[in-house]
Amino acid sequence: QKEVEQNSGPLSVPEGAIASLNCTYSDRGSQSFFWYRQYSGKSPELIMSIYSNGDKEDGRFTAQLNKASQYVSLLIRDSQPSDSATYLCAVNQAGTALIFGKGTTLSVSS
Amino acid sequence: GAVVSQHPSWVICKSGTSVKIECRSLDFQATTMFWYRQFPKQSLMLMATSNEGSKATYEQGVEKDKFLINHASLTLSTLTVTSAHPEDSSFYICSARVRNTEAFFGQGTRLTVV
Repeated sequence: QKEVEQNSGPLSVPEGAIASLNCTYSDRGSQSFFWYRQYSGKSPELIMSIYSNGDKEDGRFTAQLNKASQYVSLLIRDSQPSDSATYLCAVNQAGTALIFGKGTTLSVSS
Repeated sequence: GAVVSQHPSWVICKSGTSVKIECRSLDFQATTMFWYRQFPKQSLMLMATSNEGSKATYEQGVEKDKFLINHASLTLSTLTVTSAHPEDSSFYICSARVRNTEAFFGQGTRLTVV
């Protein structure tokens, strides 16, 4: 059974702080890793994708991947109240459907 | 990113009736589309993988005779919930893959069966 684990939270951070979201996965054959943001009642929106070990930065977002530890994380710098949402970690192998974690709820207070 | 359009965005139907949900890739051809279901405060659960021109592959526990999937063209996949019951009320979301990497999602359909 392929699993993706996330801490459900809620993770609460003050505005301007760094939010750190973590995810572990069970399938060592996983090749692609994604972070999606989902607002209540809406469908997921792709935030970051990462395919190789190390860091990938895009604006205020940094994704980190460690395949040896089967661990992927998302850092959000200068957190804003508009970042408050549920963040879904997803992994897959080429050609297969994404397997999602249950998501971490982030709350950024102003 | 690629655009995936899902329709309707919400629907209310009577118990025992059928509901069809459409998922279209607007600016690319999607050989594979995926259908997910999400209950409140739960994660997305994959229901089935839809391949153009062939039968869908259903996940374990998903009734293929209840959730009919048709992928007649490279830009359209449909999910029909047959003989809907209140327990089928959920948020249904389709997604399509681009270049075997990122998946883009439709807007989702909120189904309420009364």
